[in-house]
Amino acid sequence: AQSVAQPEDQVNVAEGNPLTVKCTYSVSGNPYLFWYVQYPNRGLQFLLKYITGDNLVKGSYGFEAEFNKSQTSFHLKKPSALVSDSALYFCAVRDMLNAGKSTFGDGTTLTVKP
Amino acid sequence: GAGVSQTPSNKVTEKGKYVELRCDPISGHTALYWYRQSLGQGPEFLIYFQGTGAADDSGLPNDRFFAVRPEGSVSTLKIQRTERGDSAVYLCASGPRPGTSNTGELFFGEGSRLTVL
Repeated sequence: AQSVAQPEDQVNVAEGNPLTVKCTYSVSGNPYLFWYVQYPNRGLQFLLKYITGDNLVKGSYGFEAEFNKSQTSFHLKKPSALVSDSALYFCAVRDMLNAGKSTFGDGTTLTVKP
Repeated sequence: GAGVSQTPSNKVTEKGKYVELRCDPISGHTALYWYRQSLGQGPEFLIYFQGTGAADDSGLPNDRFFAVRPEGSVSTLKIQRTERGDSAVYLCASGPRPGTSNTGELFFGEGSRLTVL
């Protein structure tokens, strides 16, 4: 079985400050890890992924995420938040050997205040 | 089209009725997925197609739910004898075949919001 935990329902940061949205996962094999963003009344959009290699991956809109195997974490980060980053963020995991099924966390609402 | 298209965007029906939700994936994507998202929760996996066949239907909650993809492109999610608990946003996603150089990110449609009265 595979699972994802996003321990924070809400994250609030001031514009210009760094942000972190937390994600931990459980999977039986090697993980593929993903972050998606959902803006109001829009579909989920892919942000970035970790497959293998460098533990720090970079994605769209200046976001990055760090894979930590020992802590089974994949936290999303951005050095300087923008008001336009305010949205709902989902972490997802897929077992490398399970071709189809991705499991999502329950999401974290990020609010960036001017 | 350029993205995943889902119709209808909104569907209101009465308890006990039959509903069909349609998904038109990105051209060339062989993998197609259905998820269900309830308020305050993340997407919940329902079924995954690779081509015309359902490779994993372990997420379908019961036998009232069925999905088809007869020609390997458009898919239809069918719900019989709808119940109030079926109310949710049904999301469709497509992707390249897993195991190719593109390793599994999903491209989502905007969803079909189903309300069962």
